[in-house]
Amino acid sequence: QVQLVESGGGVVQPGRSLRLSCAASGFTFRNHGMHWVRQAPGKGLEWVSVVAAAGSVTYYEDSVKGRFTISRDNSKNTLYLQMDSLRTEDTAMYYCAKEGDAGRYSFDLWGQGTPLTVSS
Amino acid sequence: EIVLTQSPATLSLSPGERATLSCRASQSVNSHLAWYQQKPGQAPRLLIYDASNRATGIPARFSGSGSGTDFTLTISSLEPEDFAVYYCQHRDNWPPGATFGGGTKVEIK
Repeated sequence: QVQLVESGGGVVQPGRSLRLSCAASGFTFRNHGMHWVRQAPGKGLEWVSVVAAAGSVTYYEDSVKGRFTISRDNSKNTLYLQMDSLRTEDTAMYYCAKEGDAGRYSFDLWGQGTPLTVSS
Repeated sequence: EIVLTQSPATLSLSPGERATLSCRASQSVNSHLAWYQQKPGQAPRLLIYDASNRATGIPARFSGSGSGTDFTLTISSLEPEDFAVYYCQHRDNWPPGATFGGGTKVEIK
């Protein structure tokens, strides 16, 4: 079954850390760039980070740069997002998304999301 | 940084009517423009990639057009399940990040 399954979300205090995971199945994970996209409650979609297929190239949205680290383990078909120095404004549903097969500038597979609440 | 502006913010229509959604880019994005549908409590679903190509399993009533800075998503005849929020999105080779528009909510009139 072709799917992405996120885990690791929860409730954390400001300044603390958390690691999200995204388990991939049903496709050749190592062939695709992978992204994290988040959505604050009642708001639109916001791109967060990307890691290239081989893991050598990463890129971040400005507000998370220096605080979040994206990585992947192609032997485990898993994507990660290490989030440090969390802020209340990081509260959101976090989705992992796969770059498209036919249209690689789009995301043709999304996970169901994992929620993060940053609150004291 | 490319900014995507979607209009209108809300579209109130009846089932069977035609929906026309707009996405304007602050500079040319060539044809690197995608459309997504999102229903409450669900993840986004890819509808259209590269401006005009329907994703796998997407009904023919959904079509995309445009290039450069102006893009349109058309739903030819709204079905009850089409009432949702729609987002446009751009990504390029470098920088490899993505940009989303603010969304258009298609609601039942």
